[in-house]
Amino acid sequence: AQSVAQPEDQVNVAEGNPLTVKCTYSVSGNPYLFWYVQYPNRGLQFLLKYITGDNLVKGSYGFEAEFNKSQTSFHLKKPSALVSDSALYFCAVREIYSSASKIIFGSGTRLSIRP
Amino acid sequence: NAGVTQTPKFRVLKTGQSMTLLCAQDMNHEYMYWYRQDPGMGLRLIHYSVGEGTTAKGEVPDGYNVSRLKKQNFLLGLESAAPSQTSVYFCASSYSMMGDTEAFFGQGTRLTVV
Repeated sequence: AQSVAQPEDQVNVAEGNPLTVKCTYSVSGNPYLFWYVQYPNRGLQFLLKYITGDNLVKGSYGFEAEFNKSQTSFHLKKPSALVSDSALYFCAVREIYSSASKIIFGSGTRLSIRP
Repeated sequence: NAGVTQTPKFRVLKTGQSMTLLCAQDMNHEYMYWYRQDPGMGLRLIHYSVGEGTTAKGEVPDGYNVSRLKKQNFLLGLESAAPSQTSVYFCASSYSMMGDTEAFFGQGTRLTVV
């Protein structure tokens, strides 16, 4: 069975500092991995995805994520946080080549950037 | 380009009442989904559809029904609302199975059952 975990309910960062939002996953085979962001009173928006290839994936709004197979992690990062990055972030995973598997979302991490 | 549109945005129901949530997408996507979002639980899949006229159960289908009579529309019905169905409901669509490609989400419907 596949699963995804976001160990931190909330992450607080000062503007201008680097940020990391953690995600770990468990699948039987190889994963597709995604990050989505949800701004207040809005639906989820796609940020980035890892399918295959380079372990460092770049996405929207200056975000990037690093796929680490040995640690089964896909942490979201940004070198310099902005107040406008404050939102709810979801990691998601789906097992590749498994038609029966569905995408699973983590419980979400609320990112708060203070000025 | 509107993307994914959900109606209504807010609703309060009394226990036992029924209602239908409408989702419309203008991207010609085959796949559509209904999720519920509850605090600390992320998104849970209720039902989904892989094309016009087809529907399938997700993770938490009990108490809900769906229909996909037209490719662009996906309806979620609650026949007899219960307080446990108080949640924020999101519709999404994608070109192929979500998890292979990115999905596009509506703004959500906040439903309260009293």
